[in-house]
Amino acid sequence: SQQGEEDPQALSIQEGENATMNCSYKTSINNLQWYRQNSGRGLVHLILIRSNEREKHSGRLRVTLDTSKKSSSLLITASRAADTASYFCATDAGDNAGNMLTFGGGTRLMVKP
Amino acid sequence: DAGVIQSPRHEVTEMGQEVTLRCKPISGHNSLFWYRQTMMRGLELLIYFNNNVPIDDSGMPEDRFSAKMPNASFSTLKIQPSEPRDSAVYFCASSFDRLGYEQYFGPGTRLTVT
Repeated sequence: SQQGEEDPQALSIQEGENATMNCSYKTSINNLQWYRQNSGRGLVHLILIRSNEREKHSGRLRVTLDTSKKSSSLLITASRAADTASYFCATDAGDNAGNMLTFGGGTRLMVKP
Repeated sequence: DAGVIQSPRHEVTEMGQEVTLRCKPISGHNSLFWYRQTMMRGLELLIYFNNNVPIDDSGMPEDRFSAKMPNASFSTLKIQPSEPRDSAVYFCASSFDRLGYEQYFGPGTRLTVT
């Protein structure tokens, strides 16, 4: 079963608008990561937030983490057509050797020019 | 660094044939992961290795699937015999085995079994 579940499954917005994607998970984690996947490509790491952090920024990305609610959100501000992609959250429970991550089902974001 | 390298990029084969997918992780990374991605099931972890040792293969769907990592710079995922339901994109990823390190994904192998 998937640890992380993204919401919504699909999101369509106009260029310049903000996009918010949410992720919920079930067990305790050491950190949560967000990845992006362009069509036909491998996943690319965007940002990592540790369990003792509540908010993190990277350029136009803002990630929040609420461990009491076991949820995270990814905000992309001033979206661009090039942001069109699928976005995945992944959790690291740290209970296995090897840095295994558990990925959610992803949110498909479409930014219309 | 060239990143994670996978070959072939595309593979079309007939049902019953053996398929071998290859992966070269990023130099220095000691964890390697094989994933399968389909529209129906999303991204699934098949197996992962740490220091060339398989740690968790609970995601391997059937005995038809096997994976090896003979050394730190090479891994294979083999399907024998292949079936149409094995059609998917197979990704290899590598990482350091320390908390807080991200995984680096290869470009994937698109497998079509007819």
